[in-house]
Amino acid sequence: DAKTTQPPSMDCAEGRAANLPCNHSTISGNEYVYWYRQIHSQGPQYIIHGLKNNETNEMASLIITEDRKSSTLILPHATLRDTAVYYCIVRVVVNSGYALNFGKGTSLLVTP
Amino acid sequence: DTEVTQTPKHLVMGMTNKKSLKCEQHMGHRAMYWYKQKAKKPPELMFVYSYEKLSINESVPSRFSPECPNSSLLNLHLHALQPEDSALYLCASSHLAWETQYFGPGTRLLVL
Repeated sequence: DAKTTQPPSMDCAEGRAANLPCNHSTISGNEYVYWYRQIHSQGPQYIIHGLKNNETNEMASLIITEDRKSSTLILPHATLRDTAVYYCIVRVVVNSGYALNFGKGTSLLVTP
Repeated sequence: DTEVTQTPKHLVMGMTNKKSLKCEQHMGHRAMYWYKQKAKKPPELMFVYSYEKLSINESVPSRFSPECPNSSLLNLHLHALQPEDSALYLCASSHLAWETQYFGPGTRLLVL
């Protein structure tokens, strides 16, 4: 299984871009990178996912390096409500489904 | 609409009680999941249902019994739980078993 490594915590000033890195050096060619976040005591919220190309949606951008060994989630204008634990996950196919192997994540604190 | 609902939000039960957790989605998703999240830990997969059939059981003790009566509903029946089973129980669903999972808010369970 491809594993991910994230910094345990990061700070970001409100209004600035938050850049959350993730290392997944053992990722296989057909494995997707997913990002979820979890605000305290709530269910995880899907943010974005990608395979090879950079992706953008209304919440964030995902930049994946050409060798696919690392990626960066970008929240372009962080707000206080973006304070959460952010999980970078490499999707693992298990039989007829897949498990989201949540790692320890990065605890992002957005400050005023 | 990406809403997964879970009831109840909170549950307190004794070790001899029988209770059930309920999860519902009306997005036409054909895969549904149960995850367990202990305090300060990431979510861990318990069960996967695909087309109302159990496809993955991550070696979960038999005191947890899942049921998928139809494509919109997923139950988790609880019997003879232990205090260490106290956790946040999360339900998720996806259109098909290999697609993006969307989570509900969770049921916080306390076993006394």
